Amino acid sequence: GAVVSQHPSRVICKSGTSVKIECRSLDFQATTMFWYRQFPKQSLMLMATSNEGSKATYEQGVEKDKFLINHASLTLSTLTVTSAHPEDSSFYICSARGASGSADTQYFGPGTRLTVL
Amino acid sequence: RKEVEQDPGPFNVPEGATVAFNCTYSNSASQSFFWYRQDCRKEPKLLMSVYSSGNEDGRFTAQLNRASQYISLLIRDSKLSDSATYLCVVAARTGGFKTIFGAGTRLFVKA
Repeated sequence: GAVVSQHPSRVICKSGTSVKIECRSLDFQATTMFWYRQFPKQSLMLMATSNEGSKATYEQGVEKDKFLINHASLTLSTLTVTSAHPEDSSFYICSARGASGSADTQYFGPGTRLTVL
Repeated sequence: RKEVEQDPGPFNVPEGATVAFNCTYSNSASQSFFWYRQDCRKEPKLLMSVYSSGNEDGRFTAQLNRASQYISLLIRDSKLSDSATYLCVVAARTGGFKTIFGAGTRLFVKA
């Protein structure tokens, strides 16, 4: 299957700092990338949908000024958690769509575990 | 009502057992259906797409009933390595492409 990478895989930061997470599609051009958040023992929750070259579409309840998304190219999207607080600690996962095969299939990055102290 | 509903389980089965997971969805305009597998603290991985005609991949069989808005996954001859959370995923193109994940069904296969 298609490969999506995410960096960093794990980050620990102090409250009030900003954290940037990168999501890259390695072997295909991703027309759309998605950012999810998953709290322990809960399901994936879509945060935002990002199309290359346009503004991200945020889900209800997700603050766009706190979670900045940039999709500058067909292979890279970034999520910046600004002024992180302990309640932002979670598993953040990106996925990309637009691979060969079914265009509706999403391929997931390995996730970034964020811990805010 | 949730857009995609699954029995959370957990399902505890012995090796070699056959286990079935069910999933219902509420959006009749949904067009694509998938089963993903997620291991603890890992990202979801595509297990298989689901088609109206039903499809099989080794020990795994997926079926879709559009009239009932129901999806199933059958695992035969369960292995210890099948222990994971299985996510039912539904995609629709209404107002843009949107994917909805079920909360997942946990499976434990024991020796």
